[in-house]
Amino acid sequence: DVKVTQSSRYLVKRTGEKVFLECVQDMDHENMFWYRQDPGLGLRLIYFSYDVKMKEKGDIPEGYSVSREKKERFSLILESASTNQTSMYLCASRWDIDGKLFFGSGTQLSVL
Amino acid sequence: GENVGLHLPTLSVQEGDNSIINCAYSNSASDYFIWYKQESGKGPQFIIDIRSNMDKRQGQRVTVLLNKTVKHLSLQIAATQPGDSAVYFCAENNAGGTSYGKLTFGQGTILTVHP
Repeated sequence: DVKVTQSSRYLVKRTGEKVFLECVQDMDHENMFWYRQDPGLGLRLIYFSYDVKMKEKGDIPEGYSVSREKKERFSLILESASTNQTSMYLCASRWDIDGKLFFGSGTQLSVL
Repeated sequence: GENVGLHLPTLSVQEGDNSIINCAYSNSASDYFIWYKQESGKGPQFIIDIRSNMDKRQGQRVTVLLNKTVKHLSLQIAATQPGDSAVYFCAENNAGGTSYGKLTFGQGTILTVHP
């Protein structure tokens, strides 16, 4: 089975802190994604990467950056966390451009 | 404050009934569709997918129907069980164009199964 692992299930951070969310997949997938999920707003794409060292902005990239130095790992960075970034963050991966996404369990981030 | 107008559709059924969850998609160029199930506190879990060259696909207790004419997708769950209670999302994928295979998700439908 494909496994997408997010390093933290719950995180509490303070406004202005730099926050790293880590995601690792074990199936040699090309594409990796970061979404945030908020009540009533569904899943919104922050960034995605279709290959190592490649990244593309999604629908809501402001306030975020990403890093993909190795194929299996995709990191989401909040340079200076703000309270409006309190959310559930979901990482996902897939084989290629038209395959199904496999999701991690999510990281519930609270910014105080 | 309250998010007016952003309440998810809900479907309540009795255990053993069949459930039908509907989804309207937006892009006539979308060529691949997926249904996901999300239980409380967990990430979305793949249920079933269908490509645009098909109009029906069956899995174990689930069937997906695709009507490209009206851009409508439905998920049918046979003999619904309490463990099927979750939020169900449809997603559409356009592998061509400039979107680079970006999945677009629907808002979701809350399914509640009563014993």
